Amino acid sequence: QVQLVESGGGVVQPGTSLRLSCAASGFTFSSFAMHWVRQAPGKGLEWVAVISSDGNNKYYADSVKGRFFISRDNSKNTLYLRMNNLTLDDTAVYSCAKDVRSLTGMDHWGQGTLVTVSS
Amino acid sequence: QSALTQTASVSGYPEQSITISCTGTSSDVGTYNYVSWYQQPPGKVPKLLIYDVTIRPSGVSNRFSGSKSGNTASLTISGLQPEDEGDYYCCSYTNSATRVFGTGTAVTVL
Repeated sequence: QVQLVESGGGVVQPGTSLRLSCAASGFTFSSFAMHWVRQAPGKGLEWVAVISSDGNNKYYADSVKGRFFISRDNSKNTLYLRMNNLTLDDTAVYSCAKDVRSLTGMDHWGQGTLVTVSS
Repeated sequence: QSALTQTASVSGYPEQSITISCTGTSSDVGTYNYVSWYQQPPGKVPKLLIYDVTIRPSGVSNRFSGSKSGNTASLTISGLQPEDEGDYYCCSYTNSATRVFGTGTAVTVL
């Protein structure tokens, strides 16, 4: 069965960096686009970024563009999110999600990893 | 990219039908048939209910159905059940090749 397991979250200070990972199993990772989605405490879902199956195309929400960078290693079945210059507004649970197929919905989600930005 | 607009809350009695709306713009919902819907029970991971406006993934109850007219997409839950309580989100592909979620709708079964 499809499994997505995020790691790398923690408590960090404003202005610092963090890298999240998402280990995928149970499907052909290299065939599917992957997303990062975040949810601040008590708030709604916010889409963060998407990367194509081959890693060549990447798109970002305006709120993170230029600070966050999505990448993948298909040989390791792992998705990454590098987050730079973190702000208090970046505090959220970050989840990775698998595309059903190109452009459409996300059919499997990880449990998420909590990132807390606090001074 | 602004969030798609959803009604904050909707409630209904068991076995009733309710409809959740999701309003976007011509840059997203109005142009692309790539609207998806998610159910998120309290404290749980979102579950895909509908994609490509109307398609139900395998295993999703046929009580859930989707539609779209102009810039507004809708999710209808027929035969409302207690286990349907939770938050519901729409999501659309955009003309920037990004995605945008809706503001979320809290569903309560009375």
